[in-house]
Amino acid sequence: DVKVTQSSRYLVKRTGEKVFLECVQDMDHENMFWYRQDPGLGLRLIYFSYDVKMKEKGDIPEGYSVSREKKERFSLILESASTNQTSMYLCASIPVWDRGPRATNEKLFFGSGTQLSVL
Amino acid sequence: AQSVAQPEDQVNVAEGNPLTVKCTYSVSGNPYLFWYVQYPNRGLQFLLKYITGDNLVKGSYGFEAEFNKSQTSFHLKKPSALVSDSALYFCAVRDAGGADGLTFGKGTHLIIQP
Repeated sequence: DVKVTQSSRYLVKRTGEKVFLECVQDMDHENMFWYRQDPGLGLRLIYFSYDVKMKEKGDIPEGYSVSREKKERFSLILESASTNQTSMYLCASIPVWDRGPRATNEKLFFGSGTQLSVL
Repeated sequence: AQSVAQPEDQVNVAEGNPLTVKCTYSVSGNPYLFWYVQYPNRGLQFLLKYITGDNLVKGSYGFEAEFNKSQTSFHLKKPSALVSDSALYFCAVRDAGGADGLTFGKGTHLIIQP
């Protein structure tokens, strides 16, 4: 079975803290994605990566950065957490037949999500 | 630009009755259309997709969706609802000729009443 693992199910952080959200996939997928999910807004793409050390901005990258040092791991970084970053964060991966956005023609495999609260 | 609309925040259906969750889309070119489901405290799971071919697409857990180009719709359906179908459903679209990834709808809560 394919598996996308997010390291924390719930996180509580203070405003201004640096926050790391970790995601690991065991399927040797090239493409990995970070989304945030908010009620009434659906899923919005923050960043994606189609290869090690490669990253591309999604629709809402402001206030976030990412790191992909190894193929299986894709980290989302909040440099200075703010209350408006309180959200559910979902990591996803997809096998490569194409790189980047066009890869989403295939199905995404999602992690269980990290509910981040910034106080 | 591409967009997708799920006009209902919540759909209530009695167990055993047919269900429909609505989705309409807007793309410049041809659409690739998807449905994902999210059970409580879980990530999203793929249900089905339309890329090309037959307008009626069958997916997991007995769900199907019908692509209607003239109405720009891709409604999710099931002939007989189960209580276990209660979840949050997301429609997603991308333009086949575009460079953008998936655009998700806001989601529809499906509640199946025993």
